[in-house]
Amino acid sequence: ELKVEQNPLFLSMQEGKNYTIYCNYSTTSDRLYWYRQDPGKSLESLFVLLSNGAVKQEGRLMASLDTKARLSTLHITAAVHDLSATYFCAVTAGGTSYGKLTFGQGTILTVHP
Amino acid sequence: KAGVTQTPRYLIKTRGQQVTLSCSPISGHRSVSWYQQTPGQGLQFLFEYFSETQRNKGNFPGRFSGRQFSNSRSEMNVSTLELGDSALYLCASSLQGRLPKNIQYFGAGTRLSVL
Repeated sequence: ELKVEQNPLFLSMQEGKNYTIYCNYSTTSDRLYWYRQDPGKSLESLFVLLSNGAVKQEGRLMASLDTKARLSTLHITAAVHDLSATYFCAVTAGGTSYGKLTFGQGTILTVHP
Repeated sequence: KAGVTQTPRYLIKTRGQQVTLSCSPISGHRSVSWYQQTPGQGLQFLFEYFSETQRNKGNFPGRFSGRQFSNSRSEMNVSTLELGDSALYLCASSLQGRLPKNIQYFGAGTRLSVL
């Protein structure tokens, strides 16, 4: 059974600081996704990572994938208040399971002035 | 381009009742997946439909069922509601699973409260 673990689960940051969220998954997966969820809102797609060594950047967020370690990271640079949200990573098992996402527990990020 | 539309947005039901939730995918998307989100269990996969066929199923009891119509719209039904079914139910659509960057786009969700 595919399992996904994120850490930390709670992250309180000061504006301007850097931090990293980690996402480990238990079995081989060929796609890893990062989503953002604002309170009371739905999930917004941030990144999809397809191959070992893949790196994607958007603004102050950068995601990377190490398939050998079964690890993805979401790095936050110079955090700002607008980044406060819950961040989820998710993977698919491939094959005919592309429509099934297995999510991590989510990391609640709060950025303080 | 319209996004994923879920109706209704909010529902209040009592134990033992049944409920039907609706999801209209993004135009051209053929895959629809359903998820349950609760504070305790997080985001859990319910099932996926593709071309009117259930392609994947999560670990939920048979009270949870779904279907997909020829226009790709999907419904999920929960019968004999229990208090623990209170959750945000999210629907997501995607083009089809095998595309390299297949991304699931989520609707705003239906918040179900069971009293």
